[in-house]
This record gives sequence, structure tokens and C-alpha cells, in this order.
Amino acid sequence: SYELTQPPSVSVSPGQTASITCSGDKLGDKYTCWYQQKPGQSPLLVIYQDTKRPSGIPERFSGSNSGDTATLTISGTQTMDEADYYCQAWDATTDYVFGTGTKVTVL
Amino acid sequence: QVQLQESGPGLVKPSETLSLTCTVSGGSVRSNYWSWIRQPPGKGLEWIGYIYYTGSTNYNPSLMSRVTISLDTSKNQFSLKLNSVTAADTAVYYCARLPPAITHFDYWGQGTQVTVST
Repeated sequence: SYELTQPPSVSVSPGQTASITCSGDKLGDKYTCWYQQKPGQSPLLVIYQDTKRPSGIPERFSGSNSGDTATLTISGTQTMDEADYYCQAWDATTDYVFGTGTKVTVL
Repeated sequence: QVQLQESGPGLVKPSETLSLTCTVSGGSVRSNYWSWIRQPPGKGLEWIGYIYYTGSTNYNPSLMSRVTISLDTSKNQFSLKLNSVTAADTAVYYCARLPPAITHFDYWGQGTQVTVST
């Protein structure tokens, strides 16, 4: 079965840039999206189809996907961005697969 | 604004059937794809399956033998049944919508905790 691997944790200082990676075999050939999940809440879509931001998501969230790695970048990280982040990939052969999740700490 | 709300028993006995319903408001189940996703305590997300408004379904192969997702257009709801449950099925269960692009889940319910225990 297809697997997506993320680092368990990422730490970032307020105002700095956080980068979260998601690795999988030929991930660049699939569509990737990213969800933010705060404690006790349902996931919130922050990036879809590799690079697109849903309405209402701040511009500081951006995404890329190439080769075996997709990356979520949070520029000018704010304390409100502290959360768990999950990547998710889709294509017609693997359907929906989620990454292992990354806890982002802003300190 | 589309809203989804899960409902169903919070406690299910081992070997029995887990049954949940998702009520959709602000949109119609007669369009788009509708999905179930779960998250065991302290763990990541797992896609369970989806149903299209035509009634066609697609399930995670790891759960396919135990899962049924159905649609009730008259109530604007869709449902999940998972049979022969064990403690490993204990999780928060979310319903979610797939937009026409079907590459991502754009609207999620708040989730409902289901515990499998005697």
C-alpha cells in the first residue's frame, strides 16, 4: 500500500518560515493537499492540488510538489498556526492516503 | 456554506455493527461525493470510503469487506455501517465532502467519538 511520511515535529520562531515535508514514491505525479488540525477540531483544508489556497486561507500558506516530496511552507508563522498538519495524496490508483502528521510548535 | 453533522451511538460492543449518519445542510447530497474518514486516538487520519450521488461507492481496500456507505436523498443524509468491530475501530469518525475535482476534502463535520468496548 502507498505510504506518506512526514517529520513528527517542526519547531519555528514567530515570524519565521516553517517548512513541512511529505514524502512518497513519485508523489509529484499525484495531487497533494494539506490540512491543519487544532486540538479537538476537525481538519481544515489549507492547500489543495499542490499549490492552491482555498478562500479564506492566509497567503502565508503555500505548497509545492515535485519528485518524491511535497512541501507546505508557512511564511511569517504566527502563534495561531500551531497545530498538527497532515498531507494527503490522491490519484486514481491509490485513492486517498494521508501522511503521518507533523506537529508544528511556534516558540 | 455547506455544513455536515455526524450522529450515532458513541459506544459499540465488539463484534457488533457501528452505524453513523451524516446530515448535510447548505448543500445537497444529490451532487458531489460524500465520504467518511476516521482518526484513532492520538493517531493520524484514515480514509474509509465515499459515495457518489448516483449511489456508486468506493472503499478503502483495508476496510472494504466490512464497510457499507449509503445515501438517503430524501433526508439529505448519508450513512456509514462498519460491521464486526473491534477495539481497533475506536476512533473519531468524520464525514466530509469531496468537491467535483475529488482530489481533496473541502468541508468536514465536527467528528463523533466512537468507542468499541464491552
